[in-house]
Amino acid sequence: GESVGLHLPTLSVQEGDNSIINCAYSNSASDYFIWYKQESGKGPQFIIDIRSNMDKRQGQRVTVLLNKTVKHLSLQIAATQPGDSAVYFCAERNYGQNFVFGPGTRLSVLP
Amino acid sequence: NAGVTQTPKFQVLKTGQSMTLQCAQDMNHEYMSWYRQDPGMGLRLIHYSVGAGITDQGEVPNGYNVSRSTTEDFPLRLLSAAPSQTSVYFCASTATVNTEAFFGQGTRLTVV
Repeated sequence: GESVGLHLPTLSVQEGDNSIINCAYSNSASDYFIWYKQESGKGPQFIIDIRSNMDKRQGQRVTVLLNKTVKHLSLQIAATQPGDSAVYFCAERNYGQNFVFGPGTRLSVLP
Repeated sequence: NAGVTQTPKFQVLKTGQSMTLQCAQDMNHEYMSWYRQDPGMGLRLIHYSVGAGITDQGEVPNGYNVSRSTTEDFPLRLLSAAPSQTSVYFCASTATVNTEAFFGQGTRLTVV
């Protein structure tokens, strides 16, 4: 079946460096993508979204890039901070209002 | 504004017991959904509702029932709990088809 996956289950970065978290999706019909952040013991929290008619979208310290040719999505976090340590999920919407989530990448920020 | 509220936060059940996980949202969202989250896996959709009186199955519906009598509430029922249902359950609501889902804080369920 269709699925969303992530290239790396864990990622460690030095505080102050930039982080790049990757996601691959398989359904070319997906039209809306979201990145969520989940801290320990909490529910997923919206970070940024992008629609299929865009290649790039920027927020505060975060940028999402969408490459529809290779079905790849990435989340870039600038100047990574300790508070960015969490599990990051990408999600794609490919029918109605339901989302398919990837398994997540755990980001650890080293002092 | 409370957003999406789930109760209880933790629950331990014996095999065969039944219980209801509560979910309420105060954002007047039409769309609500239930997910389960297991180690090493992303969230998987159990059931969803596009409005009061309408529910449908998601990816992993077996062993769960839902109802949607009001816009605000979307309870998830386990009729006969099994150890395979040990998981963390998240409820979410969405305003429109083109917006993100808002999640509750989750219910950690253990079935022994």
